[in-house]
Amino acid sequence: GEDVEQSLFLSVREGDSSVINCTYTDSSSTYLYWYKQEPGAGLQLLTYIFSNMDMKQDQRLTVLLNKKDKHLSLRIADTQTGDSAIYFCAEMTNTGNQFYFGTGTSLTVIP
Amino acid sequence: DSGVTQTPKHLITATGQRVTLRCSPRSGDLSVYWYQQSLDQGLQFLIQYYNGEERAKGNILERFSAQQFPDLHSELNLSSLELGDSALYFCASSSGTGGGRQFFGPGTRLTVL
Repeated sequence: GEDVEQSLFLSVREGDSSVINCTYTDSSSTYLYWYKQEPGAGLQLLTYIFSNMDMKQDQRLTVLLNKKDKHLSLRIADTQTGDSAIYFCAEMTNTGNQFYFGTGTSLTVIP
Repeated sequence: DSGVTQTPKHLITATGQRVTLRCSPRSGDLSVYWYQQSLDQGLQFLIQYYNGEERAKGNILERFSAQQFPDLHSELNLSSLELGDSALYFCASSSGTGGGRQFFGPGTRLTVL
């Protein structure tokens, strides 16, 4: 099956940039997503990128996609304590409309 | 608030029982997706419905089934429950069939004792 991998933990100081990385194995992905999950809450869609794009910027968020290396990253500029959460990358493949989520990266922002 | 509602919020039941989880998509969305989030398996896609028809199937067990009704709400039925079925079950909706923006509900926490 498809593997979507993320590092489990990331810790940054308030005001610094955070970079959360994700690798995937299926080259037929069509959409790639970043979701945020706060404790006790559902998943919140942060941003998504089409697989034919290299970069997408949305306010403090920058998504970079390296399709050749099957690598996706999410950069959060000026990280705030409210950004502390678990971040999931996910991909949708065009083989049967399958969705695969990464294991999630727990981001801790230190004041 | 994503606009997706799920009921109940919490459900506690015993092994061997059957439960039904309910999801109402955002107004105007035709696709409903079901996911299971457990500690050992992470977030797993179960199944997608689009306008009443099954569209895609993921890691859904045969003991589980789902349907989408004419008013577009969806139900996920879990039967012959086992301890390992304890998890958070999320529903998401989107306007189209092929992914794009999915909006998640708050989830139903199922505990099987």
